[in-house]
Amino acid sequence: DVKVTQSSRYLVKRTGEKVFLECVQDMDHENMFWYRQDPGLGLRLIYFSYDVKMKEKGDIPEGYSVSREKKERFSLILESASTNQTSMYLCASSFSRQGDEKLFFGSGTQLSVL
Amino acid sequence: GESVGLHLPTLSVQEGDNSIINCAYSNSASDYFIWYKQESGKGPQFIIDIRSNMDKRQGQRVTVLLNKTVKHLSLQIAATQPGDSAVYFCAENINTGGFKTIFGAGTRLFVKA
Repeated sequence: DVKVTQSSRYLVKRTGEKVFLECVQDMDHENMFWYRQDPGLGLRLIYFSYDVKMKEKGDIPEGYSVSREKKERFSLILESASTNQTSMYLCASSFSRQGDEKLFFGSGTQLSVL
Repeated sequence: GESVGLHLPTLSVQEGDNSIINCAYSNSASDYFIWYKQESGKGPQFIIDIRSNMDKRQGQRVTVLLNKTVKHLSLQIAATQPGDSAVYFCAENINTGGFKTIFGAGTRLFVKA
């Protein structure tokens, strides 16, 4: 089975801190994604990557950056955390770029910014 | 996907009844659609998918219907069980040179014993 592992289940940070959310997948998938999930808003795409050292902005990239130095690892970075970034963050991966592949999700990181 | 808003649509069904969850998608050019199920404390999990050249696909106890004319998807769950209680998301894959997956707001399904 594909496994997508997010390093933390819960995080509490202070406003202005730099925050790293880590995600690792074990199935050699090409594509990796970061979403945030807020009640009633569904999942919104922050950033995604089709290859190592490659990144693309999603629908809500402001306030975030990403890093993909290795194929299996995709990191989401909050340069200066703010309270409106309190949310559930979900990492996902998929195999191909053909647009016909389902996503495999991690269990999520609930981030609280105080 | 569904209209963005603060209220999560809910559906309450009796155990053993059939459930129908509906979704309106946004992009006429989308050619691949997926339903995901999210249980409490977990990430979304794939249930069933359908390509735009089909209008119906069946899985085990689940059926997805696609109406491209009105850009509508539905998920039918037969003989709903307590374990089906979850939030269900429809999603569409949009070609951006690569592709990206856009999710609806979700529908919460409650199954009454």
